[in-house]
Amino acid sequence: EVQLVESGGGLVQPGGSLRLSCAASGFTFSSYEMNWVRQAPGKGLEWVSYISSSGSTIYYADSVKGRFTISRDNAKNSLYLQMNSLRAEDTAVYYCAREDRMVRGVMVSWGQGTLVTVSS
Amino acid sequence: SYELTQPLSVSVALGQTARITCGGNNIGSKNVHWYQQKPGQAPVLVIYRDSNRPSGIPERFSGSNSGNTATLTISRAQAGDEADYYCQVWDSSTWVFGGGTKLTVL
Repeated sequence: EVQLVESGGGLVQPGGSLRLSCAASGFTFSSYEMNWVRQAPGKGLEWVSYISSSGSTIYYADSVKGRFTISRDNAKNSLYLQMNSLRAEDTAVYYCAREDRMVRGVMVSWGQGTLVTVSS
Repeated sequence: SYELTQPLSVSVALGQTARITCGGNNIGSKNVHWYQQKPGQAPVLVIYRDSNRPSGIPERFSGSNSGNTATLTISRAQAGDEADYYCQVWDSSTWVFGGGTKLTVL
């Protein structure tokens, strides 16, 4: 069974940093592209970042470019999101999501999310 | 940047058919995916590549995509279908979500 478990969320002050992790199991992690998607309280889904299976290709939403860094460790079956210079508008539940190998751009499996609150 | 437009809310009577639209410029040329999200839960993929159902998704869920509008159709709506629904496409190395539609089953 595919499992994605996010961790690392919490309360952080504006301008602070946080590192999210996503532990993957139940599939060959190194073969799959991964994404981070967030959802602000009471709002819709917003794509944050993508990383290819090898880590060689990375994309970011404009809203986080230059502040967030996505990475992965295939030996540890883990996905990460380093978040710097956090703002109040970054407050959200952050989900990691696995893409399908055959259909580009579709997120077939999601974790339960981790809440990040940016507030003083 | 590419934008997807969904109605904020759709209501359907129990047992009837609900249709949720997703508008975008020439969206018919793109692969559209649909997610269901219930309160406090992670999204679940219900339709991929316009009209395909993942395993475990009831046949009551179907999709279509043409021109400037993609549509998620839920037949014989049940109380358990009440949720937020999001359309999504991949466009120029960005993953775009619609704003979401709250489905209410009356």
